[in-house]
Amino acid sequence: DTEVTQTPKHLVMGMTNKKSLKCEQHMGHRAMYWYKQKAKKPPELMFVYSYEKLSINESVPSRFSPECPNSSLLNLHLHALQPEDSALYLCASSQVSAAEGAYEQYFGPGTRLTVT
Amino acid sequence: RKEVEQDPGPFNVPEGATVAFNCTYSNSASQSFFWYRQDCRKEPKLLMSVYSSGNEDGRFTAQLNRASQYISLLIRDSKLSDSATYLCVVSGTASKLTFGTGTRLQVTL
Repeated sequence: DTEVTQTPKHLVMGMTNKKSLKCEQHMGHRAMYWYKQKAKKPPELMFVYSYEKLSINESVPSRFSPECPNSSLLNLHLHALQPEDSALYLCASSQVSAAEGAYEQYFGPGTRLTVT
Repeated sequence: RKEVEQDPGPFNVPEGATVAFNCTYSNSASQSFFWYRQDCRKEPKLLMSVYSSGNEDGRFTAQLNRASQYISLLIRDSKLSDSATYLCVVSGTASKLTFGTGTRLQVTL
C-alpha cells in the first residue's frame, strides 16, 4: 500500500482564519514532508519530520506551523495567511534517508488552498 | 546555474513514437535520482528510480551518467496516457529532494 491521504481536498480561507491541513500514511515510513506547489512550478520543500521530530524547516514563515502527533500523522496549521500563500500543499512520506542517499518519496493528492 | 535543469518542452509526439528527455544536475555529490510524472492538478507520482546501471520498466528506460551529471528518460511506443509533466528529481543532502521544473509531454493521435 503506497497511499498517502490528505484532507481536505480543497480549502478556502480568509486572511484572519485558522485552519489545519491533515496528512496520514500507513506505509511505516518515519519521514514525512510538507511541500508547497504553485502552478507550473515544481514542489518546494517546506518541512521535514524524521522520527516525529522536525529536522528541516526551509525558512518557512511562522504563519505555517507543522505538527507530527505520531508516526502516521502530519498536520500543517495555518494562521493569518496571505493571498500569495494560495497553492497546492502536498504531503509526502518516505523511509528515513541514510547518509548515502535519499529514498523515494510518496505524495498525497494535496490540498488546494485559496486564501481570500 | 540551476541545481536540476530540464527542457520545459512541450514535446509533442504522435502515438507510438519514441521520445527522450534529458536532465542535468549540478551537485556532483548527489546520490539518488528519480523520475516522477505529474498530471495536471495532481500530485507527483514516482515513475522510477534511476540507478548507476540503468533501469528499465516496460516502455520506460532511465539512464544515469555520473561523469557528465545527466539523467535521461526514454519512453518507447508512446501512449496518449503518457501525456504529463515529467519531473527529474535529485537528492541533495539526505532527505532533501531537488526537483527540476519538469518537461511537458503531449502525445497526440
